[in-house]
Order: sequence, then structure tokens, then C-alpha cells
Amino acid sequence: DAMVIQNPRYQVTQFGKPVTLSCSQTLNHNVMYWYQQKSSQAPKLLFHYYDKDFNNEADTPDNFQSRRPNTSFCFLDIRSPGLGDAAMYLCATSRGQGREQYFGPGTRLTVT
Amino acid sequence: GEDVEQSLFLSVREGDSSVINCTYTDSSSTYLYWYKQEPGAGLQLLTYIFSNMDMKQDQRLTVLLNKKDKHLSLRIADTQTGDSAIYFCAESIQGGYQKVTFGIGTKLQVIP
Repeated sequence: DAMVIQNPRYQVTQFGKPVTLSCSQTLNHNVMYWYQQKSSQAPKLLFHYYDKDFNNEADTPDNFQSRRPNTSFCFLDIRSPGLGDAAMYLCATSRGQGREQYFGPGTRLTVT
Repeated sequence: GEDVEQSLFLSVREGDSSVINCTYTDSSSTYLYWYKQEPGAGLQLLTYIFSNMDMKQDQRLTVLLNKKDKHLSLRIADTQTGDSAIYFCAESIQGGYQKVTFGIGTKLQVIP
């Protein structure tokens, strides 16, 4: 089945220690998104790739970076995680911008 | 700017119908979506409606769109305990970059 996969499902990192979350997709969608979701809140878009073009949201901290080496994979790098970065991180894909998005199961990040 | 509002909580008895409501502010919305999120999981696309439609039905789900009042609803017929989840309303705005904006989510509790 075509799907969006996120690894790991749970990640624990130490304050200030860089961490990378990964996302892969078999849908062959050209757009990939990273969202941050905190408890009882809506998902907050961090950035997205339209093909190879990176689009950062204006309020996304510099601490968050992303890489998309090919169509299938996209990574979220948090350079120096703070306690406030503990959240669920959701990857999504779509065929074109503004269309229905398909989400992965998320990675729950804990910062100690 | 765009804004999507939902009530936070809805409780229904198993077998009854559930109606989850959403209002949005941007009249240039092109697509409106309903997503379901179960605890600890990603968002699952349930259904979506194009803004030139006023109703869409898919098995137990009925979406109604009142474009004049900018009001979207999701009706779940014969609600089951497995329908207990958070339901997010979302819209995408016509334009060069069709960002999807999510509401805060309505928690549906189904009482057996």
C-alpha cells in the first residue's frame, strides 16, 4: 500500500543535542511537509518542499532545518533542541500544493 | 488572514448521529477538509469538498458546506466507539501558494 512512513515513532534526545527525524513516502507526491503539533493544538506548518524548492514558514525558528535528497525522502533536523521543542512531528505529502495531504503516523519527540 | 474555528468537544451516544461544525473566514477557500486523529497517531484524511459543492456523502459521512455563511459541517451517522477521536477541519486558500490551515480540532467522545 502506498503510504507515508516516519521513523522513529518515538525519539528521546537531550537538551542541545542535534536530532534528525525522517520521513519517506511511496505515493510519489511532489510536495512534502513538516508540521509540529503540541498537545491539544492544531498542527503548525514548519516548512514544505515543492519538488526541490524549499519553502520556510516565516515564524519557523532557525533551529529547524530540512533536507530532501530525493522525491521519496525528507528529513527534519533540529540543531539544538530545547525543552519547548518537545512535540509530535508530522510529515505529510500531497500531489500539488493546496490539495489533500496524507500524513504519516508522526514522531513523538521528548527532550530531556 | 485565514482562520478556522471549531468547538473543542462533542459527546454523543453510540448509535446516534454526530455533527461537528466548523467556520472559516476566507471566502477564497478552494478546498475544505476533514481529518481524523486518533491518540498518538497522525492525521487521517476522511473527506474533502470543493468550494463549488454544497454537499458530499461518503458512507456514514456527510459534509455540508454553506459558502454564504462560511460554515462547514461533518455528520457521522450511527456513531461508533471507534469514531472517538479528534476531528480537524481545514481549508486551503486559492493563490500562488495554497497553504492548508487547520482548526484546533473537535474531540468527539462516543459513550457506549
